[in-house]
Parts: sequence; structure tokens; C-alpha cells
Amino acid sequence: EVQLVESGGGLVQPGMSLRLSCAASGFTFDDHAMHWVRQVPGKGLEWVSSISWDSDNVDYADSVKGRFSISRDNAKNSLYLQMNSLRAEDSAVYYCAKDFEETAMVQGIMIKGLYGMDVWGQGTTVTVSS
Amino acid sequence: DIQLTQSPSFLSASVGDRVTITCRASQDITSYLAWYQQKPGKAPNLLIYAASTLQSGVPSRFSGSGSGTQFTLTISSLQPEDSAIYYCQQLHSYPFITFGQGTRLEIK
Repeated sequence: EVQLVESGGGLVQPGMSLRLSCAASGFTFDDHAMHWVRQVPGKGLEWVSSISWDSDNVDYADSVKGRFSISRDNAKNSLYLQMNSLRAEDSAVYYCAKDFEETAMVQGIMIKGLYGMDVWGQGTTVTVSS
Repeated sequence: DIQLTQSPSFLSASVGDRVTITCRASQDITSYLAWYQQKPGKAPNLLIYAASTLQSGVPSRFSGSGSGTQFTLTISSLQPEDSAIYYCQQLHSYPFITFGQGTRLEIK
């Protein structure tokens, strides 16, 4: 079964750090880029960070750049998110998600590309509060 | 940043109704748009990718259309289990992905 399982969430004070983990199974982990997406309860989805299959490319939303760090260990089929200098506005459910690569029609041409996120974890909750 | 605006934000419809949700992009994203369904307490589920391709396992009553800046998600015959929040997502500026604000669909 294809599965992602997040862990590491919890209650932390502002300014502190937390490290989230995401364990992957059921697919070839090192074939895929991975993402972190967060959601404040009752609100919408926000992309947080992405990492390429080989860790050569990492990217961050402006809201977390300089404070969060994404990494992966392909030998352990695991994805991580190191969150430093946490703020109240970082409180959210954090999901890890797998890239969905397919060949699809774009402007009349079949193009192999990245078209979404097809596997998501159940989420782990981060609460930043004093 | 590419902004996505969904309309309506809330929709109430009856079983069997045809329902349409719109997603407008702030700039041309060709066909790099996906649709997700999210039920309470669950992760999003990919329904449509490349604007109009149905993801494997998704019921055929769901369909997507559009290109450029205007996209629609249509449910041809609403079922009780379709009550959820629906999000569009653009991947044109990958990896700087953005989501629409969501449309909550309620079954009357």
C-alpha cells in the first residue's frame, strides 16, 4: 500500500524548534520529489516547501524561508522538515505529499511533467503557543 | 506569485444536481491545474490533473475543463458523498505551487 505517515508535531513555544518526519512506503521514494503543505484548521492549503528526488533542489514559501529546512534520506525512505524560530502563525496541520508525474496533454502536446500531488499523509499538528 | 481565485466560496445543491466550480488564475498557466477534494479531518485527494484528466479511481461524474486563466470543475450528478471542500492548484510556477481558497460544497 502506498503510504505517507507524518510524525513530530506538537505544542511548542514561540521561537522554539521542531522537526517533522514523513515515512514513505509502497513506492520508490527516490524516484519522486516531495512536498510539505500546511493547513490552518478551517482555512485553505498553503505550499511550504519542496525537495527534488536527489536533494539538489529545495524551495520554500516566502513565509518560511530562512526559518524552515527541508531534507530527505532516501536510504530511510524519509522526508523531514526542520522548523526553527517558530511563530504563532506557523500553527497548522502539516502534510507531506508525493509528486505526481505523468504524461498529459498541454496545449495539444503530450508532455511528461509534474501535475499534482497524488499521495498525502494524514497530517501532523503543530501548535505554537506560549 | 500566481493567484488562484475560486468561485463560489460556498455552494449548496441537491443530490442529482449538476454543479460547477470556477477557478481563475492571475496569469496564463496553460493546463497546469489540478483539482482536489478534501473531506473533514482528511488529507486532500487528487481528482483532476492537467486541467481535464481524471485521476485513476475518481468517479466519472467529475470532470474538468479550461486552459489559460479560466478553469472549471463539474460534478454531473451530485452524490451525498461529494460533500467536501474543493481546491484548485496551479503547478505552472512549480515548485512555487499555489492553491485556490477553496469551495465548500454542501448537500441540501
